[in-house]
Amino acid sequence: EVQLVETGGSLVQPGKSLKLTCATSGFTFSNAWMHWVRQSPEKQLEWVAQIKAKSNNYATYYAESVKGRFTISRDDSKSSVYLQMNSLKEEDTAIYYCAAAFAYWGQGTLVTVSS
Amino acid sequence: DIQMTQSPSSMSVSLGDRVTITCRASQDIGNYLSWYQQKPEKSPKLMIYGATNLEDGVPSRFSGSRSGSDYSLTINSLESEDTGIYFCLQHKQYPYTFGAGTKLELK
Repeated sequence: EVQLVETGGSLVQPGKSLKLTCATSGFTFSNAWMHWVRQSPEKQLEWVAQIKAKSNNYATYYAESVKGRFTISRDDSKSSVYLQMNSLKEEDTAIYYCAAAFAYWGQGTLVTVSS
Repeated sequence: DIQMTQSPSSMSVSLGDRVTITCRASQDIGNYLSWYQQKPEKSPKLMIYGATNLEDGVPSRFSGSRSGSDYSLTINSLESEDTGIYFCLQHKQYPYTFGAGTKLELK
């Protein structure tokens, strides 16, 4: 059974940092292109970042809204993908999902940025 | 960025209805188009990939089609479990973009 479990979401003040983790199982993680997608309180989905596989040199891509502030990374030995979020803004408030090739999704973790 | 214009934003439908939801792409995306169903408090579930391919385990009453830059999700003979929000996603060009969603409710 495919499982993706996101953790690390919390209430954080503007300007602070947070790191999300997505632990996976049930598929060949090392071959998978992994994504982070977020959903605003208004239910709009926004693609955030992608990291490709080792065979693609772990290439990364970002939405303009997070470029320079967020960093996606992966640890194939742990079948996990991460999202380091720095300089958080109130508009980063959302449920953050990790997704494997957009086919399998986790249950999401809530990030609230507020003073 | 590629804009995905999804319509309608909401639909009130009856059991047994035939339902069609459409996404129009502002640029060529080929068949790099997926459809998702989202239930309350749940993550999106893949229904259709490659514009027309039914994901394993998805009922055959769901289908996807393409006409030029218009992509459609059709549900034949709607069942109560089909309510929820439906989103399209283009993954042809960065940044990948979603439609705004269609909320499907029963009358």
